[in-house]
Amino acid sequence: AQSVAQPEDQVNVAEGNPLTVKCTYSVSGNPYLFWYVQYPNRGLQFLLKYITGDNLVKGSYGFEAEFNKSQTSFHLKKPSALVSDSALYFCAVRDVDSGGYQKVTFGIGTKLQVIP
Amino acid sequence: DSGVTQTPKHLITATGQRVTLRCSPRSGDLSVYWYQQSLDQGLQFLIQYYNGEERAKGNILERFSAQQFPDLHSELNLSSLELGDSALYFCASSAYKDRGAQETQYFGPGTRLLVL
Repeated sequence: AQSVAQPEDQVNVAEGNPLTVKCTYSVSGNPYLFWYVQYPNRGLQFLLKYITGDNLVKGSYGFEAEFNKSQTSFHLKKPSALVSDSALYFCAVRDVDSGGYQKVTFGIGTKLQVIP
Repeated sequence: DSGVTQTPKHLITATGQRVTLRCSPRSGDLSVYWYQQSLDQGLQFLIQYYNGEERAKGNILERFSAQQFPDLHSELNLSSLELGDSALYFCASSAYKDRGAQETQYFGPGTRLLVL
């Protein structure tokens, strides 16, 4: 069974400092990995995805994520945090079973707090 | 604005009742996904439809069902409601089926269901 772990409930970072939000995954086949952000009282917004190819994926709002197959990780990063980045971040993995059915699993979410 | 609309925004009902949540995908998108977000369970994938057919199934209870109509809007039916069904229900849409696992999903604002 596939799974996603976000080991930190909350990450605090000072504005202007680099940020990392961690995600590790477990999946039987090739993983399709995603990051989403949820601002208060709003739906999820897509940030970026890894399908194949370059291990460093660039996404929206200056975010990027590094796929590491050996460590089964897909950490979200940003070189310089903004106060407006404060939100809830979800990592997700999708897989396709032998019947062609997708299975989507989300992590529990990590709250990012950027301190002015 | 993602282009995905959901109605109603809020719904309050009693245990044992049945409700219907509605989702209209972005123009041109053929796939619709339903998710449940609760404090207990986090964000869970429920079910996906593509062009009127069920395409993937996640942690959807037997008391819940969904369908996608010829005009591509989708409805999620929740019956015999329990207190634990109180959650935020999101709909998302994307364009493709065959590359569905890779495609970006665009989320609606959600329907907040409260079961009393």
